[in-house]
Amino acid sequence: EAGVVQSPRYKIIEKKQPVAFWCNPISGHNTLYWYLQNLGQGPELLIRYENEEAVDDSQLPKDRFSAERLKGVDSTLKIQPAELGDSAVYLCASSLRSSSTEAFFGQGTRLTVV
Amino acid sequence: AQKVTQAQTEISVVEKEDVTLDCVYETRDTTYYLFWYKQPPSGELVFLIRRNSFDEQNEISGRYSWNFQKSTSSFNFTITASQVVDSAVYFCALSGDPFTSGTYKYIFGTGTRLKVLA
Repeated sequence: EAGVVQSPRYKIIEKKQPVAFWCNPISGHNTLYWYLQNLGQGPELLIRYENEEAVDDSQLPKDRFSAERLKGVDSTLKIQPAELGDSAVYLCASSLRSSSTEAFFGQGTRLTVV
Repeated sequence: AQKVTQAQTEISVVEKEDVTLDCVYETRDTTYYLFWYKQPPSGELVFLIRRNSFDEQNEISGRYSWNFQKSTSSFNFTITASQVVDSAVYFCALSGDPFTSGTYKYIFGTGTRLKVLA
């Protein structure tokens, strides 16, 4: 069974440019998460989806970040415009249902903003 | 508020030594879930174990064991006879029960970097 797939693995962009990350969760997983992980820190939740509905986006900086999960499967996270402080690893995870079950993570996208 | 504390930033041991990674949590929920994840250098977080708050029975899986104590709000992880392949960052995480508390999100600790030296 395929795991959570994220692309790209690495991205380098200049500040003020837009960037997008893509995530394909494990088949059948209704819950999808986007996390931000800074160096030496634990993952921090940006947004959680239950099917196609964003049920927790309180930590998402909505002035520059946006996300969508069309048809309740794949998801895209976008930053526009990117800032130097956005350099981090962006992790996507999925779980069968809600946060009472274990989440499975992708390998992440390492973003460097220069 | 929920919080997970992993006070040990980095631990180094020599191969075959036993090592315990500490995790202390805070929550007001009566129903909650605790997790351990491993993050090897490749970056992908690997799920290791999940416990719910009503199950304090300790668990052993091969060289791994977990000690859950509600009285001290701790969920410690022990690796017996450590190996070089165990070198990674280990994260403890806490989640509420969405059906009772509405606390959906996983809260991660800051992680403990384990270095196992040959």
